[in-house]
Amino acid sequence: AIQMTQSPSSLSASVGDRVTITCRASQDIRNDLGWYQKKPGKAPKLLIFAASSLQSGVPSRFSGSGSGTDFTLTISSLQPEDFATYYCLQDYNYPRTFGQGTKVEIK
Amino acid sequence: QVQLVESGGGVVQPGRSLRLSCVASGFTFRSYGMHWVRQAPGKGLEWVAVIWYDGSDKYYADSVKGRFTISRDNSKNTLSLQMNSLRAEDTAVYYCARGNTAMLNALDYWGQGTLVTVSS
Repeated sequence: AIQMTQSPSSLSASVGDRVTITCRASQDIRNDLGWYQKKPGKAPKLLIFAASSLQSGVPSRFSGSGSGTDFTLTISSLQPEDFATYYCLQDYNYPRTFGQGTKVEIK
Repeated sequence: QVQLVESGGGVVQPGRSLRLSCVASGFTFRSYGMHWVRQAPGKGLEWVAVIWYDGSDKYYADSVKGRFTISRDNSKNTLSLQMNSLRAEDTAVYYCARGNTAMLNALDYWGQGTLVTVSS
């Protein structure tokens, strides 16, 4: 199975900060990667698909980049509602695999 | 609007079985692959299983292979997960999700989840 390694596992940031989360795949997965936001007690929410395409309705402060093995999720200006845990998920093959998550906390 | 509603969770003893269901509405269910994803308490998301839009193919996580079976009834817009030989480590909130081929099969809609607790 493809291993997805996310970093950092957690970070503290302030409202207005620029936040970057990375995800590394154990093999080339082209651009077959999505980013998801998860809040406690809520269903996961798709933010980015195909590595860099913004899901409809998601604020433009979220962006994704990368291809091959290295990917990045960027939040350009952190808002209060963005404090959550973020996961990458490879869509390249089965079994699908998630990164271990990055918890974004308030500084 | 797209809705996915899971049911069937509960408390079950180790070694027993449980069947989860997910009823879909607001889209053409028979046109989409469907997934199960779970999250154990205090842990990250774990992908569990997928079934093709027509039921012709299925894949599973190694952790559930041979114990869980995914199925669907397109006439009833229903996705199911039959879970046998349950273990304590299967305790989790289970989500159904839609795979969208137009988005490289990203999971674009999710249910609210159903909690499964495996405990004696």
